[in-house]
This record gives sequence, C-alpha cells and structure tokens, in this order.
Amino acid sequence: AQSVTQLDSHVSVSEGTPVLLRCNYSSSYSPSLFWYVQHPNKGLQLLLKYTSAATLVKGINGFEAEFKKSETSFHLTKPSAHMSDAAEYFCVVSGRTYNQGGKLIFGQGTELSVKP
Amino acid sequence: DTEVTQTPKHLVMGMTNKKSLKCEQHMGHRAMYWYKQKAKKPPELMFVYSYEKLSINESVPSRFSPECPNSSLLNLHLHALQPEDSALYLCASSQGHGQASNYGYTFGSGTRLTVV
Repeated sequence: AQSVTQLDSHVSVSEGTPVLLRCNYSSSYSPSLFWYVQHPNKGLQLLLKYTSAATLVKGINGFEAEFKKSETSFHLTKPSAHMSDAAEYFCVVSGRTYNQGGKLIFGQGTELSVKP
Repeated sequence: DTEVTQTPKHLVMGMTNKKSLKCEQHMGHRAMYWYKQKAKKPPELMFVYSYEKLSINESVPSRFSPECPNSSLLNLHLHALQPEDSALYLCASSQGHGQASNYGYTFGSGTRLTVV
C-alpha cells in the first residue's frame, strides 16, 4: 500500500525566514506526489505536483519541492515566509494499487504558523 | 472556469431534518468526489463518481445519499444525521478517476455542516 508521512505536525517560523515542511512517502510504484494547502475554513488548494518529470517542482506562491527517490522524500520549501502562508499543509500521494487506485492518500497534515 | 462551487457554505440542521449539499464544476471533469473532514484531520473519502456512475462508496452510512444528475453536478442528500456527522464536507473533481494520479483534484471551499 502507498502512504505518506508528514514528519512534523506543527512548524513555527518567523516572517521572512525559510520554510521547510517534511514529507516521506512509501510506494512500490513510481509515485505522483502533491502538496495541498488549506487555510482556515477553506477548501484545499493545489500548491504543486510531481508526476515523474523534473525532480525539482515549482509551485504557486514561491513554494517548491524536491523529489528524492533515494530518500523517499518530497519536502516542501519556501525561501521567505509570509504571514499569509499560515495554514495547514497536506502531502499527498496518488494511489496506484488495486485498492487505492485513483484515490488521493493524505498525510496527517502540518500546521504552519508564521510569527511577525 | 477553473473552480468547484459548493453550496451552501454553512448549514445547521436538526437530527430529523432532510437537507442537500450541492457541488458544481464546469471544467469538463468526469470524476467527482465527496470528502468529509473533521477539525485538524485530513479529508476522508466518502464517494467517487466516474462518468456519472457511482464508482466508490467508502462504506458510508446510508443517511448520506449521493447523486450525480449530470456531468457538472454532484449532490449529497442528508437525512437523520447524528451530531458526530458535523464536519466540513468537501467536493472535488478531476479529469478522470484514473487521471487523478497525474493531475490531482480541484477542491471546492466546502460546506460547514453542524448537526444539532
């Protein structure tokens, strides 16, 4: 079965400092990986996706993620945090097995706080 | 149009009421989904419709009844709900059920449901 593990349930940074949200995945197939962001009482917005093209993926709002097969990681980074980045972030793998095919498998989420 | 629109945004209902949630997309997506999300948790898949046919029911209680009248609309009919059903209900769509692996989903902003 495929799965993702978000290594931090909560990350706190100061405005203007770098952001690192960590995600490890488990998949016996070549994975499709996504990062979604959810602001309070809102739906989920796709930040970026990896689908076996370039390993460094650039997304919206200055976020990027690097797919590292050797480390089974897909960490999300941003050089400089903004107050508006405060939200819940989900790392997601797309299921390819018989039971998981076509489904999105979510990590438990990382809450990002940004201090002024 | 690149949005999934959900109505209403908020709903309060009694345990004996019947209500419906509505979801609409005009992106030509042929797969649509209902998710339930409790506070501080990732979304949980409830139903998948692919080409207007119910494809996946994740063992959801019968008090939740989905309906897909056409390729752009998805409804969730609610009847005799329990207080523990209070949650954010998210609708999503993708180009095809299997295509979620490459494109991910587009999510709506959700309906915040409170059962009293």
